[in-house]
Amino acid sequence: AQTVTQSQPEMSVQEAETVTLSCTYDTSESDYYLFWYKQPPSRQMILVIRQEAYKQQNATENRFSVNFQKAAKSFSLKISDSQLGDAAMYFCAYRSAVLSGAGSYQLTFGKGTKLSVIP
Amino acid sequence: GAVVSQHPSWVICKSGTSVKIECRSLDFQATTMFWYRQFPKQSLMLMATSNEGSKATYEQGVEKDKFLINHASLTLSTLTVTSAHPEDSSFYICSARVIQGYEQYFGPGTRLTVT
Repeated sequence: AQTVTQSQPEMSVQEAETVTLSCTYDTSESDYYLFWYKQPPSRQMILVIRQEAYKQQNATENRFSVNFQKAAKSFSLKISDSQLGDAAMYFCAYRSAVLSGAGSYQLTFGKGTKLSVIP
Repeated sequence: GAVVSQHPSWVICKSGTSVKIECRSLDFQATTMFWYRQFPKQSLMLMATSNEGSKATYEQGVEKDKFLINHASLTLSTLTVTSAHPEDSSFYICSARVIQGYEQYFGPGTRLTVT
């Protein structure tokens, strides 16, 4: 079974600065997807960024970028120019590229990192 | 696009009663919907996967007779918590997968409080 580990329960960053959230995962599969989700106080899960394992190029979405190290099974999220609205729980998630028995594309989540942004 | 709604957003019920939570994909069809449970300050725990027209697949440790899931159409899945007890109080989140897609879109969640 796959596991996702987020070793930083809480992080803080000064507004306009850069912060990196860590995520490692364990899998025996070669093809999969990795995600970062944001959960603000409203608790609505929002997809921040997605990375396909077969792509060597790191994904970027505006101020958000990832450092994907497949051999090390590491998938960190970098937030540049942090804004107050970035304060939230951030979850790293894994999904196999192979359909499960239920044909379902299940996500496996890490425990999350609570990010605080200091004005 | 890709909006998922949940109803109700918050429900309070008495111990021993049943409560139904609806999950709808508003602007797309979803063959697969997922139900998660989230305790305060914790991660999402997958409870079950429901595929339209077939029985839900429950994760280990989730009581299928207590958490009844129905996925009768490509836009609606329901979770019924039967004979609810205070320990069932939690935040329940659904998500839906687009047909022939791999993205999951999440609903806003339902807070269940059992008194």
